[in-house]
Amino acid sequence: SQTIHQWPATLVQPVGSPLSLECTVEGTSNPNLYWYRQAAGRGLQLLFYSVGIGQISSEVPQNLSASRPQDRQFILSSKKLLLSDSGFYLCAWSVEQLAGGAPMAQYFGPGTRLLVL
Amino acid sequence: QKEVEQDPGPLSVPEGAIVSLNCTYSNSAFQYFMWYRQYSRKGPELLMYTYSSGNKEDGRFTAQVDKSSKYISLFIRDSQPSDSATYLCAMGPGAQKLVFGQGTRLTINP
Repeated sequence: SQTIHQWPATLVQPVGSPLSLECTVEGTSNPNLYWYRQAAGRGLQLLFYSVGIGQISSEVPQNLSASRPQDRQFILSSKKLLLSDSGFYLCAWSVEQLAGGAPMAQYFGPGTRLLVL
Repeated sequence: QKEVEQDPGPLSVPEGAIVSLNCTYSNSAFQYFMWYRQYSRKGPELLMYTYSSGNKEDGRFTAQVDKSSKYISLFIRDSQPSDSATYLCAMGPGAQKLVFGQGTRLTINP
């Protein structure tokens, strides 16, 4: 079965510090990978998605960047955090067709709660 | 107008009640429709998945899609306190570009 990991679970960082959040997927090959941010009481905002190694699409111009150094690894980074970067960051994966006819949906990780002070 | 509209609630009902959650959308290209359940401080989990129009039932949960009206619903029968969560609708032409609703916060009171 497929599993997705995110770490750390919680992070408190000062304004101006760098950021690196990591996401890894197990049990599937060549997944599409996504980074979302969810502000308190609000919906999901798609930040980046990737269809393969080194292929990153940015949905919202901002202070963040993403990289995909390996097939099942997705990293969210920032050189200098802003107060507005606080939020709940979610990584997700999908594939074009799952074995056994399972739904072609996006599957989310547990999330990283980031607080910038 | 947003591509997907979902009443954010909050919605509070007594245990055992039937709950109806709804979303409307504007893009006729949407073919895949999903409902996610998100507990506080957790990632969303896929609850129901429907392709094109029709009904789908899974235990106490029923998902309905009416493409002619661009309207989807999730019904929860015999609601339990453990159903208390935020419910997100999501849809798209495929899994790659999903559009999410804002989420409805649901509380089931014992």
